[in-house]
Amino acid sequence: EDKVVQSPLSLVVHEGDTVTLNCSYEVTNFRSLLWYKQEKKAPTFLFMLTSSGIEKKSGRLSSILDKKELFSILNITATQTGDSAIYLCAVGATDSWGKLQFGAGTQVVVTP
Amino acid sequence: DAGVTQSPTHLIKTRGQQVTLRCSPKSGHDTVSWYQQALGQGPQFIFQYYEEEERQRGNFPDRFSGHQFPNYSSELNVNALLLGDSALYLCASSKRGTGQSPLHFGNGTRLTVT
Repeated sequence: EDKVVQSPLSLVVHEGDTVTLNCSYEVTNFRSLLWYKQEKKAPTFLFMLTSSGIEKKSGRLSSILDKKELFSILNITATQTGDSAIYLCAVGATDSWGKLQFGAGTQVVVTP
Repeated sequence: DAGVTQSPTHLIKTRGQQVTLRCSPKSGHDTVSWYQQALGQGPQFIFQYYEEEERQRGNFPDRFSGHQFPNYSSELNVNALLLGDSALYLCASSKRGTGQSPLHFGNGTRLTVT
C-alpha cells in the first residue's frame, strides 16, 4: 500500500532559525513529489520535484528529492512568523494524476 | 484570474442527512478532484472528475458520490451522514494534458455532523 510519512509532526522554532522537514514515501509508479503550505484552509503549492527536477529553490525555501532513498527534505532558512503553518508532502503516481497521496503534515510554529 | 472556489464555507448537518458541496475550478482547468481532510490529518483523495465522468476513486464508500457539469464545475454529495464525516472537504483543479502541473486547491467546506 502506498504511504507517505512526514516528520516531525510538529516543531516550534524562533524567528531566524532554520527548519528542516522530512518526507519519506513508498509509492508504486512514482511520478512526482509536491510540497504544500496550509495556513488556514487551502493548501498552497510550494514545489514539485520529479525525475527531471530533484532540487528546487525559491527565496528562503528549498527542497530536494532523493529518488534512490525515497525521501524529500524541505528547508526553510531565516524563518519568519509568517512561515507558521502546516507543511504537507504529497506524492503522485504516473497512472493517476490528480490523485495525490498526502502525509499527515508537519505543523511549524515560529515564535517572535 | 479566479482561483478554485467552493461553497458553502461552513455547514452543519445532523446524522443521517444528506449534503451537497460545490466547486468551481480555476479558469482554464477541466479536471476536478475532491479530498477529505480530517482534523490533524493530511487530505485523503475521494475521487476525480474529467469530461463529466468519475475517472478515479479513493477508498470511500458509495455514500460519497459526485457530478461534473459541462462548465467543469463539480458537486460532491454525501448521503446518510455519519459523525465521522465531519471534516474539511477540499476541491482541487488541474488542466489535463498539460504535463505535471500541480493541483490548485480551494478554501474548502467545513462540514460538521452532529
